[in-house]
Amino acid sequence: DSGVTQTPKHLITATGQRVTLRCSPRSGDLSVYWYQQSLDQGLQFLIQYYNGEERAKGNILERFSAQQFPDLHSELNLSSLELGDSALYFCASSVSGGFGGDTEAFFGQGTRLTVV
Amino acid sequence: AQKITQTQPGMFVQEKEAVTLDCTYDTSDPSYGLFWYKQPSSGEMIFLIYQGSYDQQNATEGRYSLNFQKARKSANLVISASQLGDSAMYFCAMREGHSGYSTLTFGKGTMLLVSP
Repeated sequence: DSGVTQTPKHLITATGQRVTLRCSPRSGDLSVYWYQQSLDQGLQFLIQYYNGEERAKGNILERFSAQQFPDLHSELNLSSLELGDSALYFCASSVSGGFGGDTEAFFGQGTRLTVV
Repeated sequence: AQKITQTQPGMFVQEKEAVTLDCTYDTSDPSYGLFWYKQPSSGEMIFLIYQGSYDQQNATEGRYSLNFQKARKSANLVISASQLGDSAMYFCAMREGHSGYSTLTFGKGTMLLVSP
């Protein structure tokens, strides 16, 4: 058990809908990272939050947004869903948000999103 | 250019043998970190081992060791005494960043199959 909790584990929804994925980081970790894993794109970094603030942005679509709350849990919102958004969405957490600070980064079990 | 290159799509090894999974990286940052993850068929991402760019010694964690050759920009994972449970996808990742930002960039992975 990595200590990073993601809910739900599975999600099936229709095109055009909106979903929210939730992530609780390990106790003491201030950074949360969101990744998307699809068969054709591999593991793609979406966005990072550190202590409530957006720190880095990757290949995140405009239809997607995220936030980190004062209790440090994070939510990834996916809207106007398309078939191509079907993927495994991972959350990872680490202690620092700074360069060179982390010697480990733990992932949650992922949320498998299927858009039909 | 690819930041992380894993040239072996698949590797086969017999139980109890050692196996090396290749990873080369590309960065101009003098300070960076290299991570290896295991992803079994169940989907979770399991952190295995970390190597910092300034670490003088190769990292080891149980049966896992990292063969770090900085000049060649390679960070190969060595699994000694393979077990059936080692069959999984293995990802190499790099953390680099500047001005307090850090993300993990992943390679495309190597599928390892351990046979009896």
